[in-house]
Amino acid sequence: DQQVKQNSPSLSVQEGRISILNCDYTNSMFDYFLWYKKYPAEGPTFLISISSIKDKNEDGRFTVFLNKSAKHLSLHIVPSQPGDSAVYFCAASELPSPPYNNNDMRFGAGTRLTVKP
Amino acid sequence: DAGITQSPRYKITETGRQVTLMCHQTWSHSYMFWYRQDLGHGLRLIYYSAAADITDKGEVPDGYVVSRSKTENFPLTLESATRSQTSVYFCASLRDRSNEKLFFGSGTQLSVL
Repeated sequence: DQQVKQNSPSLSVQEGRISILNCDYTNSMFDYFLWYKKYPAEGPTFLISISSIKDKNEDGRFTVFLNKSAKHLSLHIVPSQPGDSAVYFCAASELPSPPYNNNDMRFGAGTRLTVKP
Repeated sequence: DAGITQSPRYKITETGRQVTLMCHQTWSHSYMFWYRQDLGHGLRLIYYSAAADITDKGEVPDGYVVSRSKTENFPLTLESATRSQTSVYFCASLRDRSNEKLFFGSGTQLSVL
């Protein structure tokens, strides 16, 4: 039961162009969404997040868009750089209420982005 | 150095053996997590802990045991390793539940032969 799906295992783009990574979810209770980036032989690192009260969040070259009605979010990287080559994981969570004794964060399978010089 | 560290980095073991993966964090984060990463599945939660002596099952807990006697340590034990437990294991910590921003260790690559 994959509640978070990244249907594209890989994506290749030219340096300087836009990279668009997509993520779909099925659980309508998710209200917080995150993207993590993972380089080989390292742990994932937080990249950007968005809560369900917004439809867009921007941080430098990275923008995340959320379409709640479609249960879809996307990560845009503009312009793409070779150093962006990594695996990108989409994650979704229900922000918990006290006493914080549950955890419903789910991850997608990841998309491997290759940015060619 | 401050951060979250995992050991060993690589481990090869045999079916039926007990294996313990270590995780240590220096931030005094309350929450700690163990994930496994498998091709096609992304990251799946094994166990998590909200504080010392408080642990709970995640999505795939069978065959694993955890303990958290100290806030900074969260070891994961495979009591009798099976080939299906061959995976990359990531430990993570979380400062608080306001933003769900996890900090991950570098991972332990475990092979069960």
